Amino acid sequence: AQSVTQPDIHITVSEGASLELRCNYSYGATPYLFWYVQSPGQGLQLLLKYFSGDTLVQGIKGFEAEFKRSQSSFNLRKPSVHWSDAAEYFCAVVGTSGTYKYIFGTGTRLKVLA
Amino acid sequence: DGGITQSPKYLFRKEGQNVTLSCEQNLNHDAMYWYRQDPGQGLRLIYYSQIVNDFQKGDIAEGYSVSREKKESFPLTVTSAQKNPTAFYLCASSMRPNEQFFGPGTRLTVL
Repeated sequence: AQSVTQPDIHITVSEGASLELRCNYSYGATPYLFWYVQSPGQGLQLLLKYFSGDTLVQGIKGFEAEFKRSQSSFNLRKPSVHWSDAAEYFCAVVGTSGTYKYIFGTGTRLKVLA
Repeated sequence: DGGITQSPKYLFRKEGQNVTLSCEQNLNHDAMYWYRQDPGQGLRLIYYSQIVNDFQKGDIAEGYSVSREKKESFPLTVTSAQKNPTAFYLCASSMRPNEQFFGPGTRLTVL
């Protein structure tokens, strides 16, 4: 079955520390991959996406993600977290042809300590 | 500016009532989606539409209905058959298979 797993429900980091949020997917073929961020009571905003090519992708707000085909992973990273990064983060995938259904992980809620 | 609008932001429903959530986009996207979000459960797909006058059930369509009479509009009706409708509802659109663009959401509360 197709699925996206975000194993960490909550993560707490200190401001200025590095961050890595994990995402693993199960899909018949390599899908397109996305990371979104959601502030409380708001819609989702795209941070970055991977379609093909360089497996390290850069996004907005200083985030990057690395696609590892062998591990079916697409982990999100940031070298130095800011208090404003506190939010919920979602990993998502969609097939490269024939489907309009996006599959989302259950999210990781990030708390940032001052 | 292009984007997706949802209205109202907050909606209250009495038990037994149908309510309709609005979603409009001016991005010229073919596909539109409705998701339900509950704490700890991520986004669950209710309905999606690839083109005008066509839509498909998602994973939790029971108790909901939609229409797609215009490319820019995809309203969602929460019917009285939906037993637990209190949730945050998100509308999205996309040009497959690119990223989805999301609206600001509607929070529905049953009184």
